[in-house]
Amino acid sequence: NAGVIQTPRHKVTGKGQEATLWCEPISGHSAVFWYRQTIVQGLEFLTYFRNQAPIDDSGMPKERFSAQMPNQSHSTLKIQSTQPQDSAVYLCASSSPTEVFFGKGTRLTVV
Amino acid sequence: GDSVTQTEGLVTLTEGLPVMLNCTYQSTYSPFLFWYVQHLNEAPKLLLKSFTDNKRPEHQGFHATLHKSSSSFHLQKSSAQLSDSALYYCALSPPSSGSWQLIFGSGTQLTVMP
Repeated sequence: NAGVIQTPRHKVTGKGQEATLWCEPISGHSAVFWYRQTIVQGLEFLTYFRNQAPIDDSGMPKERFSAQMPNQSHSTLKIQSTQPQDSAVYLCASSSPTEVFFGKGTRLTVV
Repeated sequence: GDSVTQTEGLVTLTEGLPVMLNCTYQSTYSPFLFWYVQHLNEAPKLLLKSFTDNKRPEHQGFHATLHKSSSSFHLQKSSAQLSDSALYYCALSPPSSGSWQLIFGSGTQLTVMP
């Protein structure tokens, strides 16, 4: 069990460019979550899927952020027209019936 | 809405001294409470989870007691070790979420000095 896998681990984009972050949840886990981590805000919930269906995206900035889960083995978080304030660590997590497991995150830097 | 408060952003103490990290919460219903620990460049990992039968969870020398009367779930350890230096998050999961959707506090960075 390799755990939740996130790629890339680090990504640098220019202001205004698009960034796509990938997550491979643990096999068999039905729920997948995305969080954003910054020093100032800590861990903020963005969105989650259950059995690939979007359930709650209340934490997502509406205009430039989108998330998809096209199959049970991966989810993507896409940020269009990236801005410096989008710089953060983006964490993906998946859950069994008893526990949530996090990936190591993708550190996004917008320059 | 539901929320978690961790009042200490930074805690520094000497090896061997006791650890207590504060966590209080607000929730409409009786949520599950958690402590997660994150070492540098690593994934957050579950440290403790509250039980519905009020048992005190313990792991790696850490324990926490859920006090519903004061809405608190403070993390304690009798003797800090150098390896305990990490970022600690308190979190809750509302029972209404239907899954383990977590609401986190702002985190406490614990540094243990020799």
